[in-house]
Amino acid sequence: EAGVAQSPRYKIIEKRQSVAFWCNPISGHATLYWYQQILGQGPKLLIQFQNNGVVDDSQLPKDRFSAERLKGVDSTLKIQPAKLEDSAVYLCASSFNRQTGELFFGEGSRLTVL
Amino acid sequence: SQQGEEDPQALSIQEGENATMNCSYKTSINNLQWYRQNSGRGLVHLILIRSNEREKHSGRLRVTLDTSKKSSSLLITASRAADTASYFCATGAQKLVFGQGTRLTINP
Repeated sequence: EAGVAQSPRYKIIEKRQSVAFWCNPISGHATLYWYQQILGQGPKLLIQFQNNGVVDDSQLPKDRFSAERLKGVDSTLKIQPAKLEDSAVYLCASSFNRQTGELFFGEGSRLTVL
Repeated sequence: SQQGEEDPQALSIQEGENATMNCSYKTSINNLQWYRQNSGRGLVHLILIRSNEREKHSGRLRVTLDTSKKSSSLLITASRAADTASYFCATGAQKLVFGQGTRLTINP
């Protein structure tokens, strides 16, 4: 069974530039999550999708971050414009349903903002 | 805000010794999960313990849950160098919230 795929693995940009991350969850998983993990900290939930609808985006900085999950499968997370404090690893995860079963994580996309 | 908080923040032991990590949480839970994260990698699910369970085993892992104290512990027995990683507890009814993690180093 293929795991959660993320790209790119690494991205370096200047502040005020934009960046987009892509995630392909495990086939059949209805729930998709984007987490932000700053170095030395635990993952922080940015947004949670159930199929193609948003369940929770309370911690998503909506002035600069956006995310979509068209057709309830792949998802993209965009940051525009980026700030220095956005430097982090962006982790995508999926689960069969959102009743807090096991989450399957991708390898993450490491963003460095200079 | 973080729901679970791990203790200690860092732990360094010799190979073959046992490692114990603790997690405290604030609100009532349906279940609690533990995850491992190797350096530069994503998180991997280790074990889930439900609120009506007190102890659960999986290979060299033993997890306990004390809902009266709102705490859980993860014990890794006979540690190996490959166990070097960060370990996170996570709780949440509709969204999973992670603690800050315990960084475990196994010295050969």
